[in-house]
Amino acid sequence: QLHLQESGPGLVKPSETLSLTCTVSGGSISSTNHYWGWIRQPPGKGLEWIGSIYYGGNTYYNPSLESRVTMSVDTSKNQFSLRLSSVTAADTAVYYCGRQFLLRGKIDAFDIWGQGTMVTVSS
Amino acid sequence: DIQMTQSPSTLSASVGDRVTITCRASQSISSWLAWYQQKPGKAPKLLIYKASTLQSGVPSRFSGSGSGTEFTLTVSSLQPDDFATYYCQQYNSYWTFGQGTKVEIK
Repeated sequence: QLHLQESGPGLVKPSETLSLTCTVSGGSISSTNHYWGWIRQPPGKGLEWIGSIYYGGNTYYNPSLESRVTMSVDTSKNQFSLRLSSVTAADTAVYYCGRQFLLRGKIDAFDIWGQGTMVTVSS
Repeated sequence: DIQMTQSPSTLSASVGDRVTITCRASQSISSWLAWYQQKPGKAPKLLIYKASTLQSGVPSRFSGSGSGTEFTLTVSSLQPDDFATYYCQQYNSYWTFGQGTKVEIK
């Protein structure tokens, strides 16, 4: 059974860089049938897609966050990561990692999610 | 970018009710739409993808329909476990979620 687990600091200072890692267990991040993504949810609010990455390094980023987002993959550790720079209080949220399946070449929905990790931006 | 609008924002219903949630896209997204269920403190769970395909393991009382710009999620007979918040998500161009519909006990 595939399992995703987010990890990283729960508190980040304003203007600094938020860094999170998602560890994939029970399966390989090098699957040719999947992309891997990040989604966030501010307290009491809805879901926002941040970005998606293929094991080979191809990325898609939310245009509204693109200037601050970097995603990477480490196949040797079966992990992928998120870096979000110049954070403000508006970046306070639960951050989820997830798996997207490829359906006839189309990057589809998120079928498996991590449990989420709360990140607070505060001095 | 494509905006997704769900209605209603909140829905009060009883066990056994037939419930329908609507999701509208700001432009045509063909059938590239998914529905998720989220309970408090938990990650979302995929219910339906490609507008009407039921994800494995999801009860058959859930169904989805629509194409283009208008979509619906229907629960044929609401069960106690179904009280939750539901989100639609388009993936025709990047990935965008609706604002959510909370289904609460009447």
